Amino acid sequence: LAKTTQPISMDSYEGQEVNITCSHNNIATNDYITWYQQFPSQGPRFIIQGYKTKVTNEVASLFIPADRKSSTLSLPRVSLSDTAVYYCLVGTSGNTPLVFGKGTRLSVIA
Amino acid sequence: EAGVAQSPRYKIIEKRQSVAFWCNPISGHATLYWYQQILGQGPKLLIQFQNNGVVDDSQLPKDRFSAERLKGVDSTLKIQPAKLEDSAVYLCASTNRAAFTDTQYFGPGTRLTVL
Repeated sequence: LAKTTQPISMDSYEGQEVNITCSHNNIATNDYITWYQQFPSQGPRFIIQGYKTKVTNEVASLFIPADRKSSTLSLPRVSLSDTAVYYCLVGTSGNTPLVFGKGTRLSVIA
Repeated sequence: EAGVAQSPRYKIIEKRQSVAFWCNPISGHATLYWYQQILGQGPKLLIQFQNNGVVDDSQLPKDRFSAERLKGVDSTLKIQPAKLEDSAVYLCASTNRAAFTDTQYFGPGTRLTVL
C-alpha cells in the first residue's frame, strides 16, 4: 500500500489560498489520489480525486506533478467553515483498502 | 437523496458489556464499510461488505467484534465484550461500486465510550 505523509497541522487567515501537500513516494502506476475532508463530529466527505496533472471542481483544485510522488490540494480563499481535517489517500480500484493517515488539521483564523 | 444513517449517535457502556451499532447505507449502494476512528487518528477499516458477502475483514478483531449485513442492505456491528481501548467513533460508509477509488459516503458515526 502506498503510504502518504502530510503536515500534521496548518493555520491560515480567512480569504487566503491554502495549499496542503501530500507525499506518496511509492505510488503505484494504477493508484489514484483522493482527498477527504472531515469536520468535528461528522464522517469524512469526498473532496476531489485525480490521477495526474490538474483537477478542479467547485470546492478545490488538485495538482499532481509528472512523477506523481506528491500532490497538492489547493483551497481558494478559505473561510472559517473550512476548518477541518484533510486526508490524502492513495489507492487503486479493486479490493485493496484505502488507508487513512492522521490527516492535516487546518485551522482558519478570522 | 438520503445519506448514510447510523444509530445510536452516542453510547456509553462499561467494559465487558456488549454493544451493537446499526447502519443503513444509501439506497442502491452495494458496498458497505465499517471504520473505527480513535481520537486524533484517521479512520481504520474494520470490514467491507459487497452486498451481503464479506470482502475484507482482515483488521476486524474477530475475538470480540462481529458484523453482518443481512439481505445486502442494513448492517450491524457488534462488540462483545467491550474493552476500554474500543472507545472510538464507529463510522459506516457506502459506495455503489466495489472499487476503493469510488467516492465513499460516510454516516455521522456512533461515538462509543467504554468506562
